[in-house]
This record gives sequence, C-alpha cells and structure tokens, in this order.
Amino acid sequence: AQKITQTQPGMFVQEKEAVTLDCTYDTSDQSYGLFWYKQPSSGEMIFLIYQGSYDEQNATEGRYSLNFQKARKSANLVISASQLGDSAMYFCAMREGDTNAGKSTFGDGTTLTVKP
Amino acid sequence: NAGVTQTPKFQVLKTGQSMTLQCAQDMNHNSMYWYRQDPGMGLRLIYYSASEGTTDKGEVPNGYNVSRLNKREFSLRLESAAPSQTSVYFCASSEARSGPTDTQYFGPGTRLTVL
Repeated sequence: AQKITQTQPGMFVQEKEAVTLDCTYDTSDQSYGLFWYKQPSSGEMIFLIYQGSYDEQNATEGRYSLNFQKARKSANLVISASQLGDSAMYFCAMREGDTNAGKSTFGDGTTLTVKP
Repeated sequence: NAGVTQTPKFQVLKTGQSMTLQCAQDMNHNSMYWYRQDPGMGLRLIYYSASEGTTDKGEVPNGYNVSRLNKREFSLRLESAAPSQTSVYFCASSEARSGPTDTQYFGPGTRLTVL
C-alpha cells in the first residue's frame, strides 16, 4: 500500500484565492514528520513546510499552512492568496521513526495551475 | 553558500555505457541521499548515506552504486546504463538530527537519457 497518497493529479485555482492540496499517509509509527515540497517547471525541489506528529499546532510558513488531522492521517497543504508563481508541482513526503537519516517517502504529486 | 550542487545537469548515454553523477554540499550536513524521479511521479530513494563512511540501499538500488567520498561529496555510479534508468536524478542532504524533523535539501537535478 502506498504510504503517501495525493489524490489530485491536477488542480486549478484563480489568482488571489486559496487552494488546498490533499495528502493522506499511512504509518504505524508514533513519531513521524510530514513535509511539503514545491517543484516549479525549472525542476528544483523547494522545501515549503514541515509538521511533526507530536506538534499540537498546525504549521504555518507565510502563505503556506498545513492542515494536520492526525486521526484521519491527513496533512493537507493550504496556500492562501494564490500567485501566478505558485504554479508548480507539489509533493507531500513523510519521514518515519525516531532514527537518524531515516528514509523519506514521497507521493506522486499534484500539479497546481494558478489562473490570472 | 551554494547548498547542494550536482554535475552534470544533462547527460545522454548509450545502453551499456557507464557514468558517475557527482553531488556536493556545503552545509556541513551529515546525511546525503540519491533519488530518481520518473515522469509524472514522485521521488524514489536509490541509496543514502547516514554519515561519512556509511551507505545503505533505498527503495530502488538495483543497477546503481554509491560512494561517500567525504562528508561533502556523495557520488552515484551507473555501471552499465539501461533505458529504464532514464530519469531525473536528485541529490539531497540533511543534518541528520535525531527524530523525524530532519529536513532534506535538494540539488538542481541531473536529467539522464539512456538510448
């Protein structure tokens, strides 16, 4: 079974509106971390935001926030006030366990297109 | 700081040829990783190095070898390239702090085509 599932292959949003990108995960570990990365058309992977399994509050970084629902095993990325430069592929990833250099598992990504 | 650098940016090989992808980081990170990204898909871990002197297999290690040359450098070698290895290869590094908070930072990628 996939450990990270991103069910939206593609999403469209109007400029200045908010958009939610879905991510569900599967793990039996109590300690884990969830990450979101942005990959623009230029190809580089840009770290956006992190949420730890023990964090009580949802993570926020500028216009990015992570809607973490532990019981539902979901970690959705919310982008507020979308900009044209937000058009990119977005990946959700998970790192399990309390060990150094643990392996990260990535979802297949969601392509976001921001319309002017 | 350059962060994570990779060479080359692009490479075309013929089936059976060998090559080495180079990766270096200047963030004094302990852990380094090699991923591949196939079209329309997420990243899959090939090999990783938790610390200088150690390497371990990831999800898709077959057909690859790695060398952690020193703390800064981690190379990926294809001994006999196959068309199935056509992909974009990303190197990443992280501090390797204990626990799951260890964020990975990525290089710009190498686009490899095997004919």
